[in-house]
Amino acid sequence: NAGVTQTPKFRILKIGQSMTLQCTQDMNHNYMYWYRQDPGMGLKLIYYSVGAGITDKGEVPNGYNVSRSTTEDFPLRLELAAPSQTSVYFCASSYDRNTEAFFGQGTRLTVV
Amino acid sequence: GQNIDQPTEMTATEGAIVQINCTYQTSGFNGLFWYQQHAGEAPTFLSYNVLDGLEEKGRFSSFLSRSKGYSYLLLKELQMKDSASYLCAVRAVSGGYNKLIFGAGTRLAVHP
Repeated sequence: NAGVTQTPKFRILKIGQSMTLQCTQDMNHNYMYWYRQDPGMGLKLIYYSVGAGITDKGEVPNGYNVSRSTTEDFPLRLELAAPSQTSVYFCASSYDRNTEAFFGQGTRLTVV
Repeated sequence: GQNIDQPTEMTATEGAIVQINCTYQTSGFNGLFWYQQHAGEAPTFLSYNVLDGLEEKGRFSSFLSRSKGYSYLLLKELQMKDSASYLCAVRAVSGGYNKLIFGAGTRLAVHP
């Protein structure tokens, strides 16, 4: 099973550029999440979704956008990259609120 | 809002027992998870508590007291491979939806 797949694994962006981080899961999970993790720190919730067509802001949503048009995909969009967005981004999914979240392998993003 | 506190770092000896504490303040509490994260890798699920009491899984146990806003993760018979960060995460209802919020994590170093 593929589980949660994130692409790309690494990316370097220039200030002001835009990009989309892709996340897809093949487990038919309803809940999906985007987190960022700065060096030596915990995970901060950016956006989450409880099903197709439903998204909500997390702790640190500014500078990001998401969409959930299908159950499988939950892309994260950065419109105007800033150095403060340099981080490792993790996508995760869970079947429901009472089950554990499974994580993708992360995307290491550097904004220069 | 939510607030989750864990010690930043702990050290322990191979073969010993270590307890990692987590305290939280949150509205709409709906369960607590523990995850393990090795350096440079994605978090992996360890345990889940939604009711008060102890959950045991091999060398790992997790305890929850909802009235005290307190949980701990107990690791027995420590091995070198247990050197990792341990993340406490709280599921909380916000605006009708369930968010999964992480603490900053506890870095555990196991030495011979």
